[in-house]
Amino acid sequence: NAGVTQTPKFRILKIGQSMTLQCTQDMNHNYMYWYRQDPGMGLKLIYYSVGAGITDKGEVPNGYNVSRSTTEDFPLRLELAAPSQTSVYFCASSYSTQNYGYTFGSGTRLTVV
Amino acid sequence: GQQVMQIPQYQHVQEGEDFTTYCNSSTTLSNIQWYKQRPGGHPVFLIQLVKSGEVKKQKRLTFQFGEAKKNSSLHITATQTTDVGTYFCARPYRGTASKLTFGTGTRLQVTL
Repeated sequence: NAGVTQTPKFRILKIGQSMTLQCTQDMNHNYMYWYRQDPGMGLKLIYYSVGAGITDKGEVPNGYNVSRSTTEDFPLRLELAAPSQTSVYFCASSYSTQNYGYTFGSGTRLTVV
Repeated sequence: GQQVMQIPQYQHVQEGEDFTTYCNSSTTLSNIQWYKQRPGGHPVFLIQLVKSGEVKKQKRLTFQFGEAKKNSSLHITATQTTDVGTYFCARPYRGTASKLTFGTGTRLQVTL
């Protein structure tokens, strides 16, 4: 099993550009999440999904969109990138509502200039 | 509210010394989880605590959940350089166990 795979690992965007951060998992987890981590800080929940076709906002959803067309994939879309979106983005998945623990991807380091 | 405070923010120890980080909530928690993030890496799940007063051990790591289920601690005995990283506690987000709010983290530095 590859676990949770994120692409790309690094990206530099110009202000106003758009991009999609990819996340895929091969563990058949229903629950998937997107977090952002600013330097020296904790993780903030952006969006989450409890299954294919179901998504909901987290703590900091503004400027982002998600979709969940399959169990495996949970892409995060940034429209009109802003410097405040410079961060490391982590995708994670978990098994059930009992939450046995998240499995995180290795992250995408995004810089908006 | 959703705030999860962790103390200290940073600790520097000599190898072989003990280390403890504390996680405090203003509200009762249904459960709490702990994660470790190595420098430049991603968070890795360590453990989940559910019961009041629960104590769990993983080799040199001891995790405790307070009797009132409002605080938790992680204690490392005889630190090693491999323990370097940031330790986060995480609580259910808005009371839902499937989503987590992460604490501010404690960064541990270990030197020889």
